[in-house]
Amino acid sequence: EAGVVQSPRYKIIEKKQPVAFWCNPISGHNTLYWYRQNLGQGPELLIRYENEEAVDDSQLPKDRFSAERLKGVDSTLKIQPAELGDSAVYLCASSFGDDSDYEQYFGPGTRLTVT
Amino acid sequence: RKEVEQDPGPFNVPEGATVAFNCTYSNSASQSFFWYRQDCRKEPKLLMSVYSSGNEDGRFTAQLNRASQYISLLIRDSKLSDSATYLCVVKRRTSYDKVIFGPGTSLSVIP
Repeated sequence: EAGVVQSPRYKIIEKKQPVAFWCNPISGHNTLYWYRQNLGQGPELLIRYENEEAVDDSQLPKDRFSAERLKGVDSTLKIQPAELGDSAVYLCASSFGDDSDYEQYFGPGTRLTVT
Repeated sequence: RKEVEQDPGPFNVPEGATVAFNCTYSNSASQSFFWYRQDCRKEPKLLMSVYSSGNEDGRFTAQLNRASQYISLLIRDSKLSDSATYLCVVKRRTSYDKVIFGPGTSLSVIP
């Protein structure tokens, strides 16, 4: 079974430029998460989807970040414009449902460097 | 204060040693607890869930103390392959599950 797929794996952009990340979750997983992980820290939840609905976007900086999950499968996370402090690894994860005990499966992440 | 805190690392231990990590959480409404493992420059992966009665998986033992609001992970007979960062994860339910990762504790097992 294929795991969570993310692209690109690496991205280097100049500040003020836009950037987009793409995630394809494990087939059949209704719940999708976007996390940001800074060096030496744990993942920080940005947004969580249940099917097409964003059920928790409280940590998403909405002035510059946006996300969508059309048709409840693939998802895209966008930053516009990027700032130096956005340099981090952006992780996508999926799980079968919204029950507390369903395991989250993570993709390999996109390592973003903003110069 | 962060909602989930962990022992600051790094832990450097010799092969065969026993090492324990602690994690504390501040919200008493927290319901589910997990340990994830993250290898260097890799994604986190579930190591084990933590049950109220404590649970064991081979060399790994997880314990939960709800009264004191902490969980622990014990690794016996450390192997070189155990070198990784161990992330404590807490979930609490509001109108949906809120997932919070701790900052992680780094472990290096030395030959």
